[in-house]
Amino acid sequence: GAGVSQSPSNKVTEKGKDVELRCDPISGHTALYWYRQSLGQGLEFLIYFQGNSAPDKSGLPSDRFSAERTGGSVSTLTIQRTQQEDSAVYLCASSLGGQFWTQHFGDGTRLSIL
Amino acid sequence: QKEVEQDPGPLSVPEGAIVSLNCTYSNSAFQYFMWYRQYSRKGPELLMYTYSSGNKEDGRFTAQVDKSSKYISLFIRDSQPSDSATYLCAMSEGDTGRRALTFGSGTRLQVQP
Repeated sequence: GAGVSQSPSNKVTEKGKDVELRCDPISGHTALYWYRQSLGQGLEFLIYFQGNSAPDKSGLPSDRFSAERTGGSVSTLTIQRTQQEDSAVYLCASSLGGQFWTQHFGDGTRLSIL
Repeated sequence: QKEVEQDPGPLSVPEGAIVSLNCTYSNSAFQYFMWYRQYSRKGPELLMYTYSSGNKEDGRFTAQVDKSSKYISLFIRDSQPSDSATYLCAMSEGDTGRRALTFGSGTRLQVQP
């Protein structure tokens, strides 16, 4: 498809388990962003990748969260030792190069921690 | 206090009404202002973006930015039931600062047929 693709669309896991969320950006988009959307906090920035530059990790809430982007395309967000407060919708967005004002979002992964 | 404040609504209007959605912010470094629409269980969809102060029109939608008051608005003319969604304002410091977006909490809009 032409849009940002995220998988899985839903994930249920037990507290303490590790989870991996995948994002496939729009072809040709060199910038990729992860956000988290939860009822109490709204939509929050997590991490930003731009080309080969060092990622902006300033939004990651704890060291249990990490992300990588391989080959400048697909990205994986990993949450280790999940906690119940990690339950949220994790959204990925991409944009052309420096055009951060036109971010295109995927439909997200709905993560539920039991 | 959050950097971006947005009335959560819900806002209910009859079809054909003019809708006004607003956000206030505290960070004077914000330079870029966006409005997103989000349907249930979908990702946000960019409606409009504006750089610095001023107005921008696109079809039934008009975005206004008043940096002196730290206040932005989105107007929807001739509202339709299909406009029923959550509207999110978003802001960025741009090239001189943080590019990632800071979002308001969203306003739920219901347009009654």
